Amino acid sequence: DVKVTQSSRYLVKRTGEKVFLECVQDMDHENMFWYRQDPGLGLRLIYFSYDVKMKEKGDIPEGYSVSREKKERFSLILESASTNQTSMYLCASSLGTDTGELFFGEGSRLTVL
Amino acid sequence: GQNIDQPTEMTATEGAIVQINCTYQTSGFNGLFWYQQHAGEAPTFLSYNVLDGLEEKGRFSSFLSRSKGYSYLLLKELQMKDSASYLCAVQDSNYQLIWGAGTKLIIKP
Repeated sequence: DVKVTQSSRYLVKRTGEKVFLECVQDMDHENMFWYRQDPGLGLRLIYFSYDVKMKEKGDIPEGYSVSREKKERFSLILESASTNQTSMYLCASSLGTDTGELFFGEGSRLTVL
Repeated sequence: GQNIDQPTEMTATEGAIVQINCTYQTSGFNGLFWYQQHAGEAPTFLSYNVLDGLEEKGRFSSFLSRSKGYSYLLLKELQMKDSASYLCAVQDSNYQLIWGAGTKLIIKP
């Protein structure tokens, strides 16, 4: 079974802090994604990556950056957290050249005070 | 703009059948996905449709009409464990997924 693991299920941070969210997948997938999920809204794509050291902006990249130094690991970075970044963050991976079926991690619920 | 519409919430009875609709307007079409998400858990893949018609997988079926921009997910013989949110997503011309807000399905005994 594909496993996508996110480092923290719950985080509480203060405004202005730097936040790292880590995601690791164990199935050698090429594609990795970071989404945020908010009530009443569909999943919104923050960043994605089709290969090591490669990154592409999604629909809402402002205030975020990413890093993919190894194929299995995709990190989301909030340089200076703000209260409007309080959300559920979902990491996902997929095998195909297109998006294909996504395999999601359990999610990281971030609260910024 | 791109848009996916699905009902916010539906209620059904254990043992019954429920149909969750999804309509879409997107820049191109390369397939439609349904995912299930239990509260506090990760979304999991249910079905994929790229051609018109019905795809059946056990108690779950998914239908697609590309000309109408319409899909539905049909759940038969409902069980309490089917209480979850059901997410509709369309793959656009760039193979990016556009997501609906999800339908929360409540199953009553």
